[in-house]
Amino acid sequence: EAGVTQSPTHLIKTRGQQATLRCSPISGHTSVYWYQQALGLGLQFLLWYDEGEERNRGNFPPRFSGRQFPNYSSELNVNALELEDSALYLCASSRDGQETQYFGPGTRLLVL
Amino acid sequence: GQNIDQPTEMTATEGAIVQINCTYQTSGFNGLFWYQQHAAEAPTFLSYNVLDGLEEKGRFSSFLSRSKGYSYLLLKELQMKDSASYLCAVRFNTDKLIFGTGTRLQVFP
Repeated sequence: EAGVTQSPTHLIKTRGQQATLRCSPISGHTSVYWYQQALGLGLQFLLWYDEGEERNRGNFPPRFSGRQFPNYSSELNVNALELEDSALYLCASSRDGQETQYFGPGTRLLVL
Repeated sequence: GQNIDQPTEMTATEGAIVQINCTYQTSGFNGLFWYQQHAAEAPTFLSYNVLDGLEEKGRFSSFLSRSKGYSYLLLKELQMKDSASYLCAVRFNTDKLIFGTGTRLQVFP
């Protein structure tokens, strides 16, 4: 069974640009979660999608947004990039909001 | 708040036993997870506790006391490959998973 996949693995952008990160969950999982892990910091919860709807949101500004597609894959969009957005962005999936979350390899975003 | 507290760093020697503690605020508690994260890699699931007591899985065990807001991860017969960060995460009623900042464990020969 394939695990959670994310693309791209690395992304380099400049301040003010927009970034789009993609995630495909494990087959059969309907929930997708996004986390930010900045250097030296813990995982910070960004967004939770289930069955195509946003279920919960962390303490991040509105320029962090996303969506979930009918096939349960998900996109995270970050607008008006700032230097401090440089981090590892991890996607996780679970069968539903109550089950264990399994993580993808992450997208490392660097904002110059 | 929903703070998760765990030590920042720990060291141990190969073959030893190490216990990594995690404390959290009990209000709204709905399950606790432990993940292992090697440098530059994604976290991998280790254990899940929702009821009081000890869950054993090979060399790794996890304990939970809901009334005390306390958990620990016990690693036995330490190996060099166990050097990693260990993340404690708590699910609260909102179903949002809150992660601690992680405990970086270094195992020395």
